[in-house]
Amino acid sequence: QSVLTQPPSASGTPGQRVTISCSGSSSNIGSTTVHWYRQLPGTAPKLLIYANDQRPSGVPDRFSGSKSGTSASLAISGLQSEDEADYYCAAWDGSLNGVVFGGGTKLTVL
Amino acid sequence: QLQLQESGPGLVKPSETLSLTCTVSGDSISSTTHYWGWVRRPPGKGLQWIANIYYSGATYYNPSLKSRVTISVDTSKNQVSLKLRSVTAADTADYYCTRVKFWGQYMDVWGRGTTVAVSS
Repeated sequence: QSVLTQPPSASGTPGQRVTISCSGSSSNIGSTTVHWYRQLPGTAPKLLIYANDQRPSGVPDRFSGSKSGTSASLAISGLQSEDEADYYCAAWDGSLNGVVFGGGTKLTVL
Repeated sequence: QLQLQESGPGLVKPSETLSLTCTVSGDSISSTTHYWGWVRRPPGKGLQWIANIYYSGATYYNPSLKSRVTISVDTSKNQVSLKLRSVTAADTADYYCTRVKFWGQYMDVWGRGTTVAVSS
């Protein structure tokens, strides 16, 4: 049981826009910033979005993040086949005094 | 170019200690802007944070693993190490070394990972 809650799966067709939600509580998302990671099959995770809505250098602007209250979302526009991956949200939890991850969302491009 | 390279045995026996080392190149472990840490992913499951450490020795541990884990740094070798005691099959996973931004505690660089199986 993960501290942050994500849907286990999501899907879309090429070119479509998809969103992945991440729900937490006042001790994590509600009081700090949210980050998103992407793990392509057979590779290491990679930072996709940090501090709610910031993109690291090299991440296309097709990827965007937002946060409201104790929830956050990752949006992917112009979906491409290479976006098939596992996506994870994460945040610092002040009660646990550590990093918490969502359970991950497996994105399928139909 | 910053690189994190994990190393350690690919197979550990139940009840023994898993020991991993991460060698950092292209950055200093003594950086004041970053922590260093470990994350794992068991087969068929999601990412699990294990621990973070600052060069000064300040540490944060996952409460569910804290009693069995020790993270340490060797600034002379620019390495971060992880020890996980009394392992069971549930500790079988891909283990990743990470660089962690001081402010925000997000993992901005990841190693390629190393697979560890716990089996007799």
